[in-house]
Formats: sequence, structure tokens, C-alpha cells
Amino acid sequence: QQQVKQSPQSLIVQKGGISIINCAYENTAFDYFPWYQQFPGKGPALLIAIRPDVSEKKEGRFTISFNKSAKQFSLHIMDSQPGDSATYFCAAYNNNDMRFGAGTRLTVKP
Amino acid sequence: KAGVTQTPRYLIKTRGQQVTLSCSPISGHRSVSWYQQTPGQGLQFLFEYFSETQRNKGNFPGRFSGRQFSNSRSEMNVSTLELGDSALYLCASSRQGENTEAFFGQGTRLTVV
Repeated sequence: QQQVKQSPQSLIVQKGGISIINCAYENTAFDYFPWYQQFPGKGPALLIAIRPDVSEKKEGRFTISFNKSAKQFSLHIMDSQPGDSATYFCAAYNNNDMRFGAGTRLTVKP
Repeated sequence: KAGVTQTPRYLIKTRGQQVTLSCSPISGHRSVSWYQQTPGQGLQFLFEYFSETQRNKGNFPGRFSGRQFSNSRSEMNVSTLELGDSALYLCASSRQGENTEAFFGQGTRLTVV
């Protein structure tokens, strides 16, 4: 049972463009929603996270938008750079249990 | 501060064998979670340990087991290996309370032949 659905599977964006990755969850008990960035040969690293009491969180070029009623959240990467090329995972957490989306492979073309 | 350390980094085993993977969490972190990462299935939750107790378990067969020691280090064991067990096994540690940020190790790449 996939508790967190992520789309798209892959994304190609031109340098300077906006990358948008979407996630939807089912369990309303989730109370923490992080995004992880993973480069080849490395473990995932926390990028940015949000709690359901806010609708948006911005850190530099990265923004999470959160829609509690729709049970959806998304990651926006502004001014995308080739160095942002990686796999991005959304996740949802509750009660010591973290569930991940399937991942989005982002390629930013120079 | 040292990060999460997983050993070994790479492992090749034969079908039917068993394997033990190790994870040393960040100092002060008492929660350790294990994940299986494959190209087709993404990151799948295996189990989570806190204070030597398994608190949560994912949907994996009983061949997958784990334990945590009093120093928070954790081991994961897979018995009767199958070809489909080939994957990157990741461990993540975190503190308790409000800070739920999980820090991942680089993983152990297991290949079953």
C-alpha cells in the first residue's frame, strides 16, 4: 500500500526554470512532511520540511506548498541549476514511521 | 560531529546465504530506521528501533530482522537471501521529541547472485 504518491517520476528542466514535484498522502495522521535530495552513491539528505499548521515554507530557492484539505504538498525549485540534478523524495511522518514517495529524478539542462 | 555510518559499503552474497548489515547512528540519536531502496520500488520502510525495542515494522517477510544495542548501534539481518533482495539498504538516525529530522547513512549495496 503506497501511502505517499509522488509525481512525476522524472523531470527535465532548463537552467533557470522552475522545477515542481508533487506529492499526495492518504493518512491524515501524518504530521511532518520532509523532502529529501539524493545524489548518486549517497544517502538521501534533508532539503526542507513542513508541518501541517503552515501552508508554505521557503528556504532559499526551495519552497514547499502544503494543502491540508487536499492532502497534497509540493516542492518548487526556483532558478533551477545543473547542480540541482538529483533524485528528490517526499515523505510523510507520524509516530516514528516515515513513508516515502517513489522519487523524482530531476535533470537540469545547462 | 560524525554522521551515520553503515558498514560494509558493498556486499556480494549467494542466494540462500544470510547477511548482517551494521549501522552506527549519530551520537545522541536513539532512533534508528532501516530502508530498502530499489529502482522499481523506491524507499521502502523496513523497521524502526528505539532504546533496543522495535517500534514499527514495514511490510517485509520475516527473513528481514533487526536489533538495536544499548549504545544505539543497530544491525539488520536478512536470512535465506533471494535475488530480489539485491538493493541499497539505508539506515537513518534521529533524535526523539519534536525534532524528527532523519539523517541517512550512505547505505550498504547488497548484491545477491
